[in-house]
Amino acid sequence: QQQVKQSPQSLIVQKGGISIINCAYENTAFDYFPWYQQFPGKGPALLIAIRPDVSEKKEGRFTISFNKSAKQFSLHIMDSQPGDSATYFCAASKVYEAAGNKLTFGGGTRVLVKP
Amino acid sequence: GAGVSQSPRYKVAKRGQDVALRCDPISGHVSLFWYQQALGQGPEFLTYFQNEAQLDKSGLPSDRFFAERPEGSVSTLKIQRTQQEDSAVYLCASSPRGAGGYTFGSGTRLTVV
Repeated sequence: QQQVKQSPQSLIVQKGGISIINCAYENTAFDYFPWYQQFPGKGPALLIAIRPDVSEKKEGRFTISFNKSAKQFSLHIMDSQPGDSATYFCAASKVYEAAGNKLTFGGGTRVLVKP
Repeated sequence: GAGVSQSPRYKVAKRGQDVALRCDPISGHVSLFWYQQALGQGPEFLTYFQNEAQLDKSGLPSDRFFAERPEGSVSTLKIQRTQQEDSAVYLCASSPRGAGGYTFGSGTRLTVV
C-alpha cells in the first residue's frame, strides 16, 4: 500500500526557474511532513519539514505548501541552481508514535537544473 | 563521530551467503533506524531501536533479516541466505530522542549475484 504518492517522477528546469514537486498522503494520522534531498551515492538529507498546523513554511529558496483538507503538500524550489540537481523525496510520519517516528517515503522526483 | 557511518560501502554476495552490515550512529543519539532503498525507489522502513531495545521490526521483509544494537550504540543488520531480491542500498539513520528529522548515513549497497 503506497501511503505517500509523489509526482512528477522527474523534471527538468532551467537555471533560475521554479521546481515544483507534489505529494499526496492517505493516512490522516500523519502529522510531520519532511522533504529530503539525495545525491548519488549519498543518504537522504533533511531539507525542510512542516507540521499540519501551518499552511506554508519557507527556508531560503525552499518552500513547503500544505493543504490538510486535500491531504496534499508540495515543495517549491525557487531560483533553481545546477547544484540543486538531485532526487527529492517527500515523507510523512506520526511524530509521537511510541515506537519512533518512522518515515513513509514517496517514490522520489529526479530534478535536473540546466545551466 | 560527525555523522552516521556505515560499513562496508559496497558488498557483493553470492546467493545463499550471509551478510552483516554495520552502522555507527551519531554519538548520543538514542534512536536508530534501518531502511531499505531499491534502485529508483524511496527508502522503506525496516526496523527501529530506542537505545538497545528493538521497538519496531514490522518492516523486516522475512525472518532472514535480523538486526541488533546490543549496547545501544553500534547496530548490525544481518541478512541470512541472501536472495537476489535483497539487492538494494541499506540505509541507517539516527536521531536524538523524540520527534523531528534524523540523519542518514551514506548506506551500504548490497548486490546479490
